[in-house]
Parts: sequence; C-alpha cells; structure tokens
Amino acid sequence: AQKITQTQPGMFVQEKEAVTLDCTYDTSDQSYGLFWYKQPSSGEMIFLIYQGSYDEQNATEGRYSLNFQKARKSANLVISASQLGDSAMYFCAMWEDSSYKLIFGSGTRLLVRP
Amino acid sequence: GAVVSQHPSRVICKSGTSVKIECRSLDFQATTMFWYRQFPKQSLMLMATSNEGSKATYEQGVEKDKFLINHASLTLSTLTVTSAHPEDSSFYICSAREGLLYNEQFFGPGTRLTVL
Repeated sequence: AQKITQTQPGMFVQEKEAVTLDCTYDTSDQSYGLFWYKQPSSGEMIFLIYQGSYDEQNATEGRYSLNFQKARKSANLVISASQLGDSAMYFCAMWEDSSYKLIFGSGTRLLVRP
Repeated sequence: GAVVSQHPSRVICKSGTSVKIECRSLDFQATTMFWYRQFPKQSLMLMATSNEGSKATYEQGVEKDKFLINHASLTLSTLTVTSAHPEDSSFYICSAREGLLYNEQFFGPGTRLTVL
C-alpha cells in the first residue's frame, strides 16, 4: 500500500487565488511527521511546512498552511494568494520513527496562471 | 536553516566509468545522511541511509555494490556510482539530519548525472 498518496498530478490556479494540494498518508505509527516540499525546475527541495502527529493546531508558515485531519489521515497543503513563483512540483512526505526514513508522495505539479 | 552542499551539480560521463558525488553539511554535524534518486517527472526514491562510521543501509532493490556510500565524517558522505551505465542517469539528491527532531533534515541541491 502507498504510504503517501497525492491524487492530483497537476493543478492550475489563478494568480492571487488560494489552492489546496491533497495528501493522504498511511501509517500505524503513533508518532510521525508530515512535510511539504516545493521543487522548482532547478531541482532543489525547498522545505515549506511541517506538522507533527501530536500537534493539535494546524501548522502555518506565511502563505502556507497545512490542513491536518488526523482521523482521515490527510495533510493537505493550502497556499493562499498564489504567486507566479509558486509554479513548481510539490511533494508531500512522511517521516516514521519506526522506519527512520522520509517517504515521498508522487507529487503535484502546480501551475499559476497570470 | 542549515546548509547542505553537493558536488558536482552536474556530471556527464562515459558508460563504464565511476562517478563520485559528495554531500556536505556546511554548518552542522549530520548524524545521518540519506541518498535519493529521482527520475524525470517522478518522485524521490530513497536509495540508502548512512550513519557516520558505519555501513550504509540500502533500500530493497538498490545494488550496494553499484552504489557505494561512504560516510567518513559527520559532515561528509559520498555516493559512488560504479561502472555507470545510461540507465543510471538520474538526479541524485542527498539530505542530512542533524538531530532527533523531525524537521531537522536538510536537502542538498542535487546532482544531475548523465551517462553516455
């Protein structure tokens, strides 16, 4: 079974609008961490936001927020006020203590339209 | 945040040669380093986990004799692709973990390997 599932291969959003990128995960660990990374065409992995499994409040980092629904095992990324520079690949990832590794989803390519 | 460098950023080599990629943590000591591989338009796939001073742990399906990993110090890990072939052409990314917190894992800029 997939540990991390991103069901949207590609997304479009109009500049200045908000967009939600979906991510669901599967783990039997009680303690785990969820991440979102941005990968522009240059290839570098840019850390965006992190949510710990025990964190009760949704994480926020500037225009990025993580909609964490533990019971549904979802960790969607919300980007508010999209900018042209947000066009990139976005990866959801999960860290499990039991496996001691970071597992990535298949990614979502976001294109921001002017 | 902490900085991880990779060298070279891009390498082109002939089939049959070996290529070494370096991953350095510049301003912190990395207890663990990870090596990933990414094919075009695909996700990052973990190849191996290396801890300083010990043998690397390879993921299932990764040939350890082909992808040699050495983590000789707390700031340097190397990946050597031995007898490279065109199918080894890929984007290789390392990451380094500083401590025990989940968010303390930092990625290098990646190395694009092209084998002719």
